Amino acid sequence: QQQVKQSPQSLIVQKGGISIINCAYENTAFDYFPWYQQFPGKGPALLIAIRPDVSEKKEGRFTISFNKSAKQFSLHIMDSQPGDSATYFCAASKGSGTYKYIFGTGTRLKVLA
Amino acid sequence: DAGVIQSPRHEVTEMGQEVTLRCKPISGHNSLFWYRQTMMRGLELLIYFNNNVPIDDSGMPEDRFSAKMPNASFSTLKIQPSEPRDSAVYFCASTRTGGAEYGYTFGSGTRLTVV
Repeated sequence: QQQVKQSPQSLIVQKGGISIINCAYENTAFDYFPWYQQFPGKGPALLIAIRPDVSEKKEGRFTISFNKSAKQFSLHIMDSQPGDSATYFCAASKGSGTYKYIFGTGTRLKVLA
Repeated sequence: DAGVIQSPRHEVTEMGQEVTLRCKPISGHNSLFWYRQTMMRGLELLIYFNNNVPIDDSGMPEDRFSAKMPNASFSTLKIQPSEPRDSAVYFCASTRTGGAEYGYTFGSGTRLTVV
């Protein structure tokens, strides 16, 4: 129940295309869902996050779609660029005052020039 | 702010040796996390501290692993004795009071190789 399942494991997209990464969770107590971006040799960095009271959040070319009934959420990268090539992690957390994230297993994205 | 500072960046050690990884969180952050990253298992939470107190160490793989946070600006993760299966990248992250939505700030990690 504590797991966050992420797919696909790797993804190759042409420049200008849409990258889509999916995550699913079981624990309905989770109420905060961030996405982290990690470049080689660096630590993960917060990219965008959503709470389950909204179905979509957009920041620039990055959009989170959230389906509470299905317990799924996804990251969409519009107009994907080679500079977006990185590993992306979804995560989930429950309750304010609880700082513990459960991370997905990661998706390695490569955007071809 | 210099961000979360981890040292060393790389560590190569022989099996059986003691390894100590160090972390300096961002000033004002009162929660600190140690994660281990491998290709097979992704990011695993080992332990986290709130206000220097260990809250959840259920992810610590076994008694060979120990972590301390003697003050708000320093934490260590120790492995004794080290084994080849401990080879991984170890990340430290910190965040501040207010909940998870402030986001973690990760350090650049320590790549540990046990031969």
